[in-house]
Amino acid sequence: GAVVSQHPSWVICKSGTSVKIECRSLDFQATTMFWYRQFPKQSLMLMATSNEGSKATYEQGVEKDKFLINHASLTLSTLTVTSAHPEDSSFYICSANPRQASSYNEQFFGPGTRLTVL
Amino acid sequence: AQSVAQPEDQVNVAEGNPLTVKCTYSVSGNPYLFWYVQYPNRGLQFLLKYITGDNLVKGSYGFEAEFNKSQTSFHLKKPSALVSDSALYFCAVRDRSPGGYQKVTFGTGTKLQVIP
Repeated sequence: GAVVSQHPSWVICKSGTSVKIECRSLDFQATTMFWYRQFPKQSLMLMATSNEGSKATYEQGVEKDKFLINHASLTLSTLTVTSAHPEDSSFYICSANPRQASSYNEQFFGPGTRLTVL
Repeated sequence: AQSVAQPEDQVNVAEGNPLTVKCTYSVSGNPYLFWYVQYPNRGLQFLLKYITGDNLVKGSYGFEAEFNKSQTSFHLKKPSALVSDSALYFCAVRDRSPGGYQKVTFGTGTKLQVIP
């Protein structure tokens, strides 16, 4: 099946630093990747939609200058949390739509990255 | 706008008993419907989906879900619960109409606790 990986699986950083999270589709090409944020005991909140070779589309209320998304290739998207603060601590999950899929195909999710900002 | 409601924050069921996790949805057109499961500190795992055809959809790990258009529901079911089924379950919807809202919207999740 389609596999999506994320790196790192967890990260602890100091306030004010930047953190980069990678999302890779391991055995398929993904034209579209999605970045979600999940707070404890809450649902997934879509942050942005990342399309290969173009700018990401951010959801309302998500600061694009704070959460930089780059979709450099058909198998890699990165999320950079710039100048991280404790309130950015969360579980970040990416997902990907296979290039070959029809429009209704389910998204394949990465295992998530736990970010803790001290 | 599309939305998903999971009315129960938590469902408790004894091992071996049947389980149901409820989900209702709202879309402007016809829906694609999905169920995902999440274990602690893990990403989401796909369980099943409804696209078209039979209203009863069978998925992974013995789970199934029934699409009911008149009640706009897509409840997740399993005939006999296992302790290992204990996890967080998310229902999701996507509008499949041409020009419809293409993003997937997730419910708030239901924690399933199977009691030995």
